[in-house]
Amino acid sequence: QVQLQESGPGLVKPSETLSLTCTVSGGSFSGYYWTWIRQSAGKGLEWIGRIYTSGALRHYNPALESRVTMSHDSSKNQFSLNLISVTAADTGVYYCARLSHGSGYVWGQGTTVTVSS
Amino acid sequence: DIQMTQSPSSLSASVGDRVTITCRASQDISNYLVWFQQKPGKAPKSLIYAASSLQSGVPSKFSGSGSGTDFTLTISSLQPEDFATYYCQQYNYYPWTFGHGTKVEIK
Repeated sequence: QVQLQESGPGLVKPSETLSLTCTVSGGSFSGYYWTWIRQSAGKGLEWIGRIYTSGALRHYNPALESRVTMSHDSSKNQFSLNLISVTAADTGVYYCARLSHGSGYVWGQGTTVTVSS
Repeated sequence: DIQMTQSPSSLSASVGDRVTITCRASQDISNYLVWFQQKPGKAPKSLIYAASSLQSGVPSKFSGSGSGTDFTLTISSLQPEDFATYYCQQYNYYPWTFGHGTKVEIK
C-alpha cells in the first residue's frame, strides 16, 4: 500500500520560499504523476500542480505558475515543491498526493505551513 | 477553469438514512471525477474515482454515478462515522478544480 509523507518547515517568513518534500513508500514511484494540493480557510482546496517521474513533464496551476517549481528525485522516491515570494495568503495545509484514473487517489497526511514574520 | 458546483452545501440526516450529494461541472469532464471525505483536522480520504469506481478499502455503502456534467455520490445507509464533509473534484482539465463541499451533519 503506497504511502506519502510531507515534510518541511512549518513557518516561513513573508517574501521567502516555501519548500516541501513528499516521500513515497510502499509502492512504485516511477511511472506516475505526483501532485501537490493545498487547503486554506479562505480559498478552500486548490490544486498546485503535478509532476511526472520521467522527463521534464510538469503541469502547474496558472494562478501559481509564476511562483511554483516542482522537482523529483527518483533515487530517493521523493518529489518536492518550491513556492517563492510567499505571503500570508499561502498559509494553509499542503498535501502531496497521487491520482491515477486506473487506481484512484492516495493522499499524504498533510503539513501545515504558516507564513508569518 | 472548470467550475464544480456541489449541492446541497450542507444537510442533516439520521443514522440509517440514504444520502445523495450532487456535483455539476461547468463543462463536459467525461468520467474524470473523484469524491472524497474529510473530517476536521484530517487529510482527505478518497471514496470514488473515475466517477463510479470504489477506492480500494472503502465500504460498498458508498457509490458514485454520472458522466459528462452531472454526478452523484450516494451513501446507502448513513452511519455515525460518515458524518463529515464530502468534496468532488474534476481531473480532466488543468487546473484541477474542486467543489466547495457538502457537510453532512447529524439530525
